[in-house]
Amino acid sequence: EPEVTQTPSHQVTQMGQEVILRCVPISNHLYFYWYRQILGQKVEFLVSFYNNEISEKSEIFDDQFSVERPDGSNFTLKIRSTKLEDSAMYFCASSEGSTYGYTFGSGTRLTVV
Amino acid sequence: ELKVEQNPLFLSMQEGKNYTIYCNYSTTSDRLYWYRQDPGKSLESLFVLLSNGAVKQEGRLMASLDTKARLSTLHITAAVHDLSATYFCAVLGANTDKLIFGTGTRLQVFP
Repeated sequence: EPEVTQTPSHQVTQMGQEVILRCVPISNHLYFYWYRQILGQKVEFLVSFYNNEISEKSEIFDDQFSVERPDGSNFTLKIRSTKLEDSAMYFCASSEGSTYGYTFGSGTRLTVV
Repeated sequence: ELKVEQNPLFLSMQEGKNYTIYCNYSTTSDRLYWYRQDPGKSLESLFVLLSNGAVKQEGRLMASLDTKARLSTLHITAAVHDLSATYFCAVLGANTDKLIFGTGTRLQVFP
């Protein structure tokens, strides 16, 4: 079964450093998303991306965050200057459309120290 | 703003018993999704419910959607240990591209 692939699985970074989280969505999917889950809490929407641009973003997704689809397969989330409160599990998801549901990747656990 | 609530938050149940998890949401939607999450793992899609009255079943799990009541249920029949996990419902609001997740129900099935 096709899957969404995320790398790295775990990243530790110092506060103030930039990080890039990488995702390879399912190849025929058109809609891409980033969500995050702070340990033990619920899953929160960050951003959606369609047709090479952001279609929607949450209040969490401030100027420190950006997304990019640099080629036909990768989808990245960049955090420019990480804060301690950015520590969370970050999930990438992709979809053919809401009727078909959303497939989530295995996640990147980001730890900011 | 769309809000999604699940109850109970934690459910400890004996193998062989039945139980229901409830998911309530605050604004109109006809797109609701159920996910399972094992500790430290990703979100595994269980059910996609797309209309009022939708009912889907897979093994010991059955999900339903009542859009008029803004309520979805996930019913567990004759629970087994392998069902131990956290279950999330997620709702797609009208005219939006984001899923709003419930708080999750942590299910523990014991012998």
